[in-house]
Amino acid sequence: QVQVLESGGGLVKPGGSLRLSCAASGFSFSDHQMSWIRQAPGKGLEWISYISDGGSTTYYAKSVEGRFTISRDNAKKSLYLQMNSLRGDDTAVYYCATLRGGGGGSYGQWGQGTLVTVSS
Amino acid sequence: DIQLTQSPSTLSASVGDRVTITCRASQSVSRWLAWYQQKPGKAPKLLIYKTSSLESGVPSRFSGSGSGTEFTLTISSLQPDDFGTYYCQQNYIFGQGTRLEIE
Repeated sequence: QVQVLESGGGLVKPGGSLRLSCAASGFSFSDHQMSWIRQAPGKGLEWISYISDGGSTTYYAKSVEGRFTISRDNAKKSLYLQMNSLRGDDTAVYYCATLRGGGGGSYGQWGQGTLVTVSS
Repeated sequence: DIQLTQSPSTLSASVGDRVTITCRASQSVSRWLAWYQQKPGKAPKLLIYKTSSLESGVPSRFSGSGSGTEFTLTISSLQPDDFGTYYCQQNYIFGQGTRLEIE
C-alpha cells in the first residue's frame, strides 16, 4: 500500500526549531520528487518546498526561504523538513506529498499531516 | 505573483445536480491543472491531473477541462459524499478553495 506518514510536529516557541520527517512505504521512493505543503488553521493549501528524486534540486516558497531546509534520505525512504526561526504564521498542518509520475505536476499521494504550533 | 482564482468560493447544491467549479489563472504558466477534494480533518485527495485525466479510483462523475487560463471541474451528478473543499493547483500554486455543501 502506497503511504507517506509525517511525524515531528508539536508546540514550539517563536524563534525555535523543529524537524519534520516523512516516511514512505509501498512505492519506489527514490524515483519520486517530493514536496512539503502546509495548511494554516481554517486556510487554504500553501506549497512550501520541493526536492528532486535524487535530492540535488530544491526549491522554496518565499515565505520560508532561508529558514527551512528540505532534504531526503533515499536509503531510509524518508523526507525531512528542518524548520528554523519559526514564527507564529508558520503554525499549520504540514503535509508531505509525492509528485505523481506523469501527473503534470500534480500531487498524487499525501500523508495525514503533522501539526506545528508556534506559540509562546 | 501568479494567482489561481476559484469561483464560486462557496457552493450549495442538491444531490443529483450538475456542479461546475472554475479556476482562472492570472496568466498562463502551465498546460496542466490538477483538482483536489479535501474533507474536514483529512488530507487533500487528487481527483484530476493534467487538466482532464481522472485519477485511479475516482468516480467517473468527476471530470476536468480547460486550457490557457480557464479550467473547470464538473461533477455530473452530485452525490452526498461529494461535500468538502475543492482546490485547483498548477505548478506551485493552489487556488483559494471552493467549499461545496450538500443541500
